[in-house]
Amino acid sequence: LAKTTQPISMDSYEGQEVNITCSHNNIATNDYITWYQQFPSQGPRFIIQGYKTKVTNEVASLFIPADRKSSTLSLPRVSLSDTAVYYCLVGDANNAGNNRKLIWGLGTSLAVNP
Amino acid sequence: DAGITQSPRHKVTETGTPVTLRCHQTENHRYMYWYRQDPGHGLRLIHYSYGVKDTDKGEVSDGYSVSRSKTEDFLLTLESATSSQTSVYFCAISGFMNTEAFFGQGTRLTVV
Repeated sequence: LAKTTQPISMDSYEGQEVNITCSHNNIATNDYITWYQQFPSQGPRFIIQGYKTKVTNEVASLFIPADRKSSTLSLPRVSLSDTAVYYCLVGDANNAGNNRKLIWGLGTSLAVNP
Repeated sequence: DAGITQSPRHKVTETGTPVTLRCHQTENHRYMYWYRQDPGHGLRLIHYSYGVKDTDKGEVSDGYSVSRSKTEDFLLTLESATSSQTSVYFCAISGFMNTEAFFGQGTRLTVV
């Protein structure tokens, strides 16, 4: 089964760039790597998704090296409202089609300080 | 926000009683998922559905069953609740598997 590893927690300050890396092995070669954000007492919310190289949207960038053994979520100029838990999500290499298994990381708790 | 509603939002039940949680969507998405979230374990998939009457097990399916008789509704049933099933349960929907998923607000279930 695919396995993911993320730092348990990170601290930052307002205005800084934050990079959160997820290491993952045995992931599906043809599946997306996805990141979600979760605030207390809410369901996770989609941030960004990519297959390889770099993807950027209005809130974040995602860097995926060619070997796809890790991915890095980059949050530019964080604010207090970015304090949340961030999860990576990958597909397991040993399943396909409708039986694909999606594996969640345990999450990185990001604290943004004034 | 995506149209996804979970009910109830909170429930306290006794050990051994059956419990059904409901997830309702208005987005006509094909995929629906039930997760549980516990401290130290993150999100774990219980069951998912890829169409009406098409369901499959996730990584923690023991003690749970699901049904999807209509596109918009996905029910999670605990046949005989146990204290280990005390958790926060999230429903999610997506158009395709592992594309952007939308989550409900969660149901906090306490089994006493």
